[in-house]
Amino acid sequence: DAGITQSPRHKVTETGTPVTLRCHQTENHRYMYWYRQDPGHGLRLIHYSYGVKDTDKGEVSDGYSVSRSKTEDFLLTLESATSSQTSVYFCAIAGGVSSGANVLTFGAGSRLTVL
Amino acid sequence: DQQVKQNSPSLSVQEGRISILNCDYTNSMFDYFLWYKKYPAEGPTFLISISSIKDKNEDGRFTVFLNKSAKHLSLHIVPSQPGDSAVYFCAASHNYGQNFVFGPGTRLSVLP
Repeated sequence: DAGITQSPRHKVTETGTPVTLRCHQTENHRYMYWYRQDPGHGLRLIHYSYGVKDTDKGEVSDGYSVSRSKTEDFLLTLESATSSQTSVYFCAIAGGVSSGANVLTFGAGSRLTVL
Repeated sequence: DQQVKQNSPSLSVQEGRISILNCDYTNSMFDYFLWYKKYPAEGPTFLISISSIKDKNEDGRFTVFLNKSAKHLSLHIVPSQPGDSAVYFCAASHNYGQNFVFGPGTRLSVLP
């Protein structure tokens, strides 16, 4: 395994509640990413990080914030969840033990349902 | 507007035959491409890559072809096996960067 752990793996929440998804890596990689996967859209980039405290927006960043206070942890926060944020969320790192440096390695995903 | 397109949402192929998955892109700045395979309830896994300085890259049963003038790439799987049944994503980046744009995916079913 590439050393990426996502938690929680499944979560059901209600509209308007805050939600935080965690991504933890043991590879000491600089770049980390959050994607969401939805039918017909593939994987869309939410936010990414290129170092501790260095983050930037992706294609679908509205309604999401991120933080990276340590190399190994990248948090995705939905301040006030909406039903449109029901999705499967994937964390990724650039590289990984089984991949080349310029390849994304993904975690197992976090399925979020907002009722 | 989608910069990376996979116009076939699904594809069915008989075991042992060739599977051809297609991907088109609109951004001429893209110079590095990846293919991923995804099983249900798992994260995508890297299959094969190609850079714009090449037009073909092979890895075992998987071959990726790149036609830069047509902004088109394809993934060939020969021979196809039932375990290849999955969703396949094409992804592209520019300046060999690490920010990738993904296509919507093609679901491949390999029939025994």
